[in-house]
Amino acid sequence: GAVVSQHPSRVICKSGTSVKIECRSLDFQATTMFWYRQFPKKSLMLMATSNEGSKATYEQGVEKDKFLINHASLTLSTLTVTSAHPEDSSFYICSALGQAAGVLTFGAGSRLTVL
Amino acid sequence: GESVGLHLPTLSVQEGDNSIINCAYSNSASDYFIWYKQESGKGPQFIIDIRSNMDKRQGQRVTVLLNKTVKHLSLQIAATQPGDSAVYFCAEMSHQGGKLIFGQGTELSVKP
Repeated sequence: GAVVSQHPSRVICKSGTSVKIECRSLDFQATTMFWYRQFPKKSLMLMATSNEGSKATYEQGVEKDKFLINHASLTLSTLTVTSAHPEDSSFYICSALGQAAGVLTFGAGSRLTVL
Repeated sequence: GESVGLHLPTLSVQEGDNSIINCAYSNSASDYFIWYKQESGKGPQFIIDIRSNMDKRQGQRVTVLLNKTVKHLSLQIAATQPGDSAVYFCAEMSHQGGKLIFGQGTELSVKP
């Protein structure tokens, strides 16, 4: 079956540093990847839609310069949280849409804690 | 506007009973709906989906009902088990928009 891997699963960083989270489709090619953010006891909020080879489309209210998204290949998208602050601490989840079958698969999520 | 996440309501059921989890969606253009199960610290896990040309779909122990008139979706879990304890989210997608928007989740707690 379709598998999406996220790395790292947990990361702790100091305020002001940047953190990169990777989302990989392991056994299929993903033309589109979605990035979500989730706070405790809340729903998943769509941050941006990333298409291979083009700029990401950000949802209203999401800072493009704060959350840099790169989708350089059909199997990898990255989310970089720049100059992270404690309020950026959250659970970040990616999902990948398979090119062929249209299957949408989620990663296991990455928990970011900014001290 | 689109559905947004709110505080999670909770549903507590006895093991063996049937569970019904409800969801209201807001976008009339949505034509594809999915139910996900999310356990603590993990990503969403696909349960069942339904397209707008259907009003009911059954899986193993789960049934999804879609009422487009009132924009309502429900997930029925038969013979609920302790392993079903998790947060359940509905999600909607429109063919035009192409993005998956999550609705309000429900925390299901199964008492043995």
